[in-house]
Formats: sequence, C-alpha cells, structure tokens
Amino acid sequence: ILNVEQSPQSLHVQEGDSTNFTCSFPSSNFYALHWYRWETAKSPEALFVMTLNGDEKKKGRISATLNTKEGYSYLYIKGSQPEDSATYLCAFNSGTYKYIFGTGTRLKVLA
Amino acid sequence: DVKVTQSSRYLVKRTGEKVFLECVQDMDHENMFWYRQDPGLGLRLIYFSYDVKMKEKGDIPEGYSVSREKKERFSLILESASTNQTSMYLCASSSMDNREKLFFGSGTQLSVL
Repeated sequence: ILNVEQSPQSLHVQEGDSTNFTCSFPSSNFYALHWYRWETAKSPEALFVMTLNGDEKKKGRISATLNTKEGYSYLYIKGSQPEDSATYLCAFNSGTYKYIFGTGTRLKVLA
Repeated sequence: DVKVTQSSRYLVKRTGEKVFLECVQDMDHENMFWYRQDPGLGLRLIYFSYDVKMKEKGDIPEGYSVSREKKERFSLILESASTNQTSMYLCASSSMDNREKLFFGSGTQLSVL
C-alpha cells in the first residue's frame, strides 16, 4: 500500500519565523511530487510540481527540495507571514491518474 | 483566470436522498477527479474521468457514481445518501500529463442527516 506521510501535523509559528515541513513518499516508481496550499474556504492551489531528484523550486518566500532516492521532500517558508497560514498538502504520483495525498501540515502564523 | 467551479459550497441532505454534486472547468482539461476530505485522512479519490463518457474507479467508489456527458462537466452522484457520506467533496481537473498540476474547486461540504 502506497503511503504518503507529512510532518508535523500542525504547527504554530510567530510572524517572521522561518519554518519547514516534510513529506515522505515511496522511493520506488516515482513520477512527480506536488505541493499544494489550502487556505480555509478556498480551493487548494498548486505551489510546486517536482519531477527530478535534487530539484529545488522557489516561489517568493517559499521553496521546496526533492530527494527521490530516499523518498522525501521539504517545504520551507522564510519569514512567515499571517497570510501563509494554511494547510500544506503534498501528493505523490507514480505515473498514473492516482495521486496519493498526505494528510497535510496545518500552519498557523501568529501576528 | 482559470476556474473549477463546484455548484454548492454547503449542502444538507437527508438519508436516502439522491444527491448530485456538479463540477465545471473552463480549461478544456481532459482529466477530472472527485475527491473527499475527511479529518485525519488525506484526500481520497472517488472517481476519475479522462474523457467524455470515460471513467475509472478510485479508492472509495462504493455508494457513488459519476457522469461525464460533456468535457467541461463532471458530476458526482450519491445514489442513496448515507450519514457516512458526510464529508468535504473536492473536484479537480488537469491536463493529460500527470506532471501537470491539479486545479481544484473550492469544495462542497455535504452533511447527510
């Protein structure tokens, strides 16, 4: 059974702090790893699609790394702001239509 | 602005009712998905469609059916709603390439009483 795990489940940080969280996924049959941000009452929105081992992607203060050999990806947020408060989801894809989602990391940034 | 639109944000139905959840996308995407989100669980795939009138079962299809008569519209049907189908339902669409991102609707919170 393919499993994707995210940690921590939730965290609170102060405005201005940097933070990171982890997505662990199967190290075999890797095709793509997606990161999504899901704000309350809004649609989940794609942050990154990562496909190559060693990939690093950046979007403003948010960046992500990928290690397909050991089966993990890190998401980093530099200088967290209250508007970063959301649930961050990762999804593993092995080349089929099935995306395996983690349970998410719920981030709350305190002003 | 690209969009996936779900017909209702909140829905309350009674046990045994037939329920239709509608999803429309304006990106000419081939792939459309229905997921449900429950506390403590990741998004779980109910059904997938890769073309008009084509569908594949996901991980939890029991108690659900789908319809895709037009490329832009993907409907989820609860034939006889039950309380264990109370959940957040998310529709998504994407192009054929599984390396492309999913575009999600804003979800329908369904309560079955």
